[in-house]
Amino acid sequence: ETGVTQSPTHLIKTRGQQVTLRCSSQSGHNTVSWYQQALGQGPQFIFQYYREEENGRGNFPPRFSGLQFPNYSSELNVNALELDDSALYLCASSLGGTDQPQHFGDGTRLSIL
Amino acid sequence: QKEVEQNSGPLSVPEGAIASLNCTYSDRGSQSFFWYRQYSGKSPELIMSIYSNGDKEDGRFTAQLNKASQYVSLLIRDSQPSDSATYLCAVIEGNNDMRFGAGTRLTVKP
Repeated sequence: ETGVTQSPTHLIKTRGQQVTLRCSSQSGHNTVSWYQQALGQGPQFIFQYYREEENGRGNFPPRFSGLQFPNYSSELNVNALELDDSALYLCASSLGGTDQPQHFGDGTRLSIL
Repeated sequence: QKEVEQNSGPLSVPEGAIASLNCTYSDRGSQSFFWYRQYSGKSPELIMSIYSNGDKEDGRFTAQLNKASQYVSLLIRDSQPSDSATYLCAVIEGNNDMRFGAGTRLTVKP
């Protein structure tokens, strides 16, 4: 069974740039959720995709966008990067509904200079 | 503002003791509850899920849920130094969003 994989592991960008983070869901999982985790905080829900459709969104501005592909992998895109976007970005996959346990990838550490 | 609250700790217990971690939530529509363990620099790892009032045991871990009091807890029996980590409480709210607490840092001293 292949777990959740994310790429890249680390990324450094400057203010105003755009970034794309990628996630491959665990084998058999059709739901992908993205989280932002600042240092010392719990993960904050960004959005969730279920069968290629957005299935919920947290309190993040529109410059955070995403998509899910037919193989259930997913991308998180962030435009007009700000210093406060520096964080660990976590992808989690699950099977079926939102009440199912989510399994996390190792995350992408994004640093904005 | 919907919230999931945890004591930030650090909580320190001696090896072999019981560690008790607590979590309260504000959304009465919440139906699904999870405990995750996160080692420093690593991603969260699922420990337990609980959906009904009462206790659920899995090895050294017991999750307790009281929906009337909007309270969920995690007990770790026979704590080991390898249990030292941050423990995150997560709640699926009525709108199906998953909300995490800020986590409780646990240290188990040999």
